[in-house]
Amino acid sequence: GQNIDQPTEMTATEGAIVQINCTYQTSGFNGLFWYQQHAGEAPTFLSYNVLDGLEEKGRFSSFLSRSKGYSYLLLKELQMKDSASYLCAVRDGRGSYIPTFGRGTSLIVHP
Amino acid sequence: DAGVIQSPRHEVTEMGQEVTLRCKPISGHNSLFWYRQTMMRGLELLIYFNNNVPIDDSGMPEDRFSAKMPNASFSTLKIQPSEPRDSAVYFCASSLLVVGDWTPGSSYNEQFFGPGTRLTVL
Repeated sequence: GQNIDQPTEMTATEGAIVQINCTYQTSGFNGLFWYQQHAGEAPTFLSYNVLDGLEEKGRFSSFLSRSKGYSYLLLKELQMKDSASYLCAVRDGRGSYIPTFGRGTSLIVHP
Repeated sequence: DAGVIQSPRHEVTEMGQEVTLRCKPISGHNSLFWYRQTMMRGLELLIYFNNNVPIDDSGMPEDRFSAKMPNASFSTLKIQPSEPRDSAVYFCASSLLVVGDWTPGSSYNEQFFGPGTRLTVL
């Protein structure tokens, strides 16, 4: 099976930087996704990591360390609209291409 | 493209009634997923279709739940009989599953989610 851990909730200030961590334990590894979900809406794709290192995409970056079973999502220059839930999803290495989602981290950005 | 389309957006029903949720995936996608999301359990995969064939239904809670995909552009999730504990938001998602493509920085196999159906069983 899979075990994916994320903090339940985080708060940050507008304009600041926040790092949301995700640790996982899987039987093998086949890629890690980050999704953003605003309240009452569907999850939307943010990033995908399959090799170690940092992937940067505008204000958002995602990092992966396969040996440590660890990823983080870095959000820079926070805006109020970044208040949302951030879901970490991992695919294991058993030939399945279906990701398993973590419970999500609720980020609250305040002025 | 209109994205993944789900109907209805909201459904309120009484315990024991049959509920049918509908999904139209993005044209050209070969994989379709049904998820259920609750505060207690988060986002759970119910069933996954590839090329209209059910591949993994291990997440389907029990025999009261069934899903079909008669063609590439339509899927249904049926609950019969419904129970209050089925109250949740049900999401349909689709993707173009590309096996074995490891290009760094790519977004292969990204899932596109529909707006969801909020189901309340009284």
